[in-house]
Amino acid sequence: AQKVTQAQTEISVVEKEDVTLDCVYETRDTTYYLFWYKQPPSGELVFLIRRNSFDEQNEISGRYSWNFQKSTSSFNFTITASQVVDSAVYFCALSEVLYNNNDMRFGAGTRLTVKP
Amino acid sequence: NAGVTQTPKFQVLKTGQSMTLQCAQDMNHEYMSWYRQDPGMGLRLIHYSVGAGITDQGEVPNGYNVSRSTTEDFPLRLLSAAPSQTSVYFCASRPGLDGRGTQYFGPGTRLTVL
Repeated sequence: AQKVTQAQTEISVVEKEDVTLDCVYETRDTTYYLFWYKQPPSGELVFLIRRNSFDEQNEISGRYSWNFQKSTSSFNFTITASQVVDSAVYFCALSEVLYNNNDMRFGAGTRLTVKP
Repeated sequence: NAGVTQTPKFQVLKTGQSMTLQCAQDMNHEYMSWYRQDPGMGLRLIHYSVGAGITDQGEVPNGYNVSRSTTEDFPLRLLSAAPSQTSVYFCASRPGLDGRGTQYFGPGTRLTVL
């Protein structure tokens, strides 16, 4: 069955530091999608990015970047020059296309605190 | 465009009471789902639906019922609430019926069972 591991339970940084959130996944499917969601203190889940298993190009969006490496089954998320507004819980998720395409599996989440 | 809406936002129940969490989406998505979020466990799938009249169980279905009479609505029923069902509940929908689509989540319902 598919599995997502976010080994970092909590991370605390000072504003303007760079921070990387790790995500490791397991799947038997050859076609799958990886996602990152942000959950700010207000509680809603905000979609950040979706990546398919055939596209290993790194993606950058402003201060956010994502590094997808199939060889290590990882999909890590880096925030450059962190800001207090980045404080949130971040979830990595995996969705299979063939084997179990109706159950998106989430990691346990990483709580990021950015201190001023 | 409201996206995915959920009501209520907060609810307190006593053990044994029943209630229905409402969920609606206006994006004409075939797929809808219910997740629960517990500390340290991420989100876990309770039930899902791939269209009106079609529902199935997810990872943690016990104690919950669902139905899907329209594309827009997907209510979650707790028949006899238990303290173990204290959690935050999220409804979601996505386009398409395979794992490609992005799921969009409602604002959540925080449920406490005493």
